[in-house]
Amino acid sequence: AQSVTQPDIHITVSEGASLELRCNYSYGATPYLFWYVQSPGQGLQLLLKYFSGDTLVQGIKGFEAEFKRSQSSFNLRKPSVHWSDAAEYFCAVATSRGTYKYIFGTGTRLKVLA
Amino acid sequence: GAVVSQHPSWVICKSGTSVKIECRSLDFQATTMFWYRQFPKQSLMLMATSNEGSKATYEQGVEKDKFLINHASLTLSTLTVTSAHPEDSSFYICSAPRPGLQETQYFGPGTRLLVL
Repeated sequence: AQSVTQPDIHITVSEGASLELRCNYSYGATPYLFWYVQSPGQGLQLLLKYFSGDTLVQGIKGFEAEFKRSQSSFNLRKPSVHWSDAAEYFCAVATSRGTYKYIFGTGTRLKVLA
Repeated sequence: GAVVSQHPSWVICKSGTSVKIECRSLDFQATTMFWYRQFPKQSLMLMATSNEGSKATYEQGVEKDKFLINHASLTLSTLTVTSAHPEDSSFYICSAPRPGLQETQYFGPGTRLLVL
């Protein structure tokens, strides 16, 4: 069965520091992978997605993610974190093309210290 | 701006009553919408797929008689929690795929339900 694992429940970084949020997936075929951010009172916002091609994907707000098939990972990175990045981050995999059915990871809550 | 809205944003009800939550796509038509449930500090769990003009498809373990879904128009899906109980208290989120954007969904802001 497909699954998505985000090993870190909470991460705290200082403003200006680099960030990496981990995501591992279990899926038999080529996965469609997503990172979403959830802020209080707002819907999940898509940061970036990977379907195929270049394994380093650029997203909004300065985020990027790298797909590594050998490690079944899709880690999210940002070189310099801003205080406004504090939120909950979810990794997700689409179970099959065209159905839009997602499996989400448990989320990582990011805290940013001033 | 938001492309998927939900109403209400939060609701408190008594045990045994029914609660209806609306999900609207604001500037596009959505023949399919999804309903998720999110428990505190947990992930989003897909409950059902709402299909315009036909019956919803429920995920395994989701009671279709408890969670009634109606997708009466191309911009509106409703989730009714019938005979609500405290264990139904949760955060309910809907989403809709936007035509032309491959495999991408837009999510509503969620509705927090508290059943007393």
